[in-house]
Amino acid sequence: GAGVSQSPRYKVAKRGQDVALRCDPISGHVSLFWYQQALGQGPEFLTYFQNEAQLDKSGLPSDRFFAERPEGSVSTLKIQRTQQEDSAVYLCASRRTSGYEQYFGPGTRLTVT
Amino acid sequence: GENVEQHPSTLSVQEGDSAVIKCTYSDSASNYFPWYKQELGKGPQLIIDIRSNVGEKKDQRIAVTLNKTAKHFSLHITETQPEDSAVYFCAASFNGAGSYQLTFGKGTKLSVIP
Repeated sequence: GAGVSQSPRYKVAKRGQDVALRCDPISGHVSLFWYQQALGQGPEFLTYFQNEAQLDKSGLPSDRFFAERPEGSVSTLKIQRTQQEDSAVYLCASRRTSGYEQYFGPGTRLTVT
Repeated sequence: GENVEQHPSTLSVQEGDSAVIKCTYSDSASNYFPWYKQELGKGPQLIIDIRSNVGEKKDQRIAVTLNKTAKHFSLHITETQPEDSAVYFCAASFNGAGSYQLTFGKGTKLSVIP
C-alpha cells in the first residue's frame, strides 16, 4: 500500500517568509508525528497527534511553529517568519493504533536563505 | 527526558564481514527500541525493532539484542553487502500513556567496501 507522503519535497524560503509543509499519513493510521532532522543528526521530535487532537507539542522550538490536523488525516506544519536555523529536513511519521512502529515519509528539505 | 547515545559514528567493513552498532539509553521506562536505515535523500526506514520483554530478535541477516539492566541495545548485521551502506539510527521510546515519541541517537554511517 501507499506509504507516508510529504510535500513539497524541497522548499527554499527567504528569511522572514512563512512556509507550510504537508503530510499525508498511511491510510487509517491514527497517530501522526513530526520530527526535525538537522544535517548530520538524528531526527528530533516536534509534535504528536492522535486523530485531530494535538496531544504533545513539547518539541516545537518556538511559537513560530504551528501544526494542525483538522480532520484527523492530513497534517500541516507551518513555520512563520522563517529563520536560518529553521533549515532542516522535516519528517512526518504515522503509526496505527495498536502498533508501536512509526513509518516515516521522505521528508521536506527546507532551506532558509 | 530520554537520552540515546550511539557508537560508532562511522563504520567501514569489508563486504561479507559483520557490523555491530551499539546504543545506550537513559530512561529505564523506555520499552520500545527500533532501528532505522536512512539512505541519502530518503526518510528513515524501519528495519527491525525490539520490545523490552524480549532479549533478542532476528530477521535474516539482521539481529538486535537488548540488555535492560545495562540499558543498552545493539544492531548486528551479518554477511554485509554494498547495499547495506547507509546511515543507521537507533531510537528509544516509552509506549504507554503519552505521546510515544522516539528519541534518536546521532547515527552511524556504515560503509561496506566491495
